[in-house]
Amino acid sequence: TQLLEQSPQFLSIQEGENLTVYCNSSSVFSSLQWYRQEPGEGPVLLVTVVTGGEVKKLKRLTFQFGDARKDSSLHITAAQPGDTGLYLCAGARFQGAQKLVFGQGTRLTINP
Amino acid sequence: NAGVTQTPKFRVLKTGQSMTLLCAQDMNHEYMYWYRQDPGMGLRLIHYSVGEGTTAKGEVPDGYNVSRLKKQNFLLGLESAAPSQTSVYFCASSYSTFGTQYFGPGTRLTVL
Repeated sequence: TQLLEQSPQFLSIQEGENLTVYCNSSSVFSSLQWYRQEPGEGPVLLVTVVTGGEVKKLKRLTFQFGDARKDSSLHITAAQPGDTGLYLCAGARFQGAQKLVFGQGTRLTINP
Repeated sequence: NAGVTQTPKFRVLKTGQSMTLLCAQDMNHEYMYWYRQDPGMGLRLIHYSVGEGTTAKGEVPDGYNVSRLKKQNFLLGLESAAPSQTSVYFCASSYSTFGTQYFGPGTRLTVL
């Protein structure tokens, strides 16, 4: 059962364009995390959003947590080839440990 | 400071063979996790540990065993490998329940 639906799964755009990746669930999470994964490496945490409605910015990346803490979005402004990679969202539940439920991932390609 | 390391990086097994994947961290983290990553499914939690000598089941534990005899090491065992266990395996560790999970570089396992 995929509890977190991430869309789109693949996205190829030109340098300078804007894009949004969505992460949706019918479940409530304690927090929502976004990771970036390069080929041959493990995921690396970009940001954690905790409060419903929270917005965090990381340079050209804007992350938002839905008011009901069930969904999140990642918006990239003026995408650059260096943004190319696999982006993963993960919902966190704290049940003895921090159990992460990952979305399928969005493979983003920025063409020069 | 190596962070989280995984051994081996690649492995090919025949159905029915056994093997152990080793995860080591040098950050004095209490919590350690094993995930598998399959195309189109994101990462799924196999087993985790909240401290030396403890282990617990995650989302997809069947066919795997784990041990945490030393705080810095978390071993994942496959007693009788099956083709369905072909995947990329990631280990992660965190300092506390709410702490950031740091991922290793992964082990690519193929079961023929």
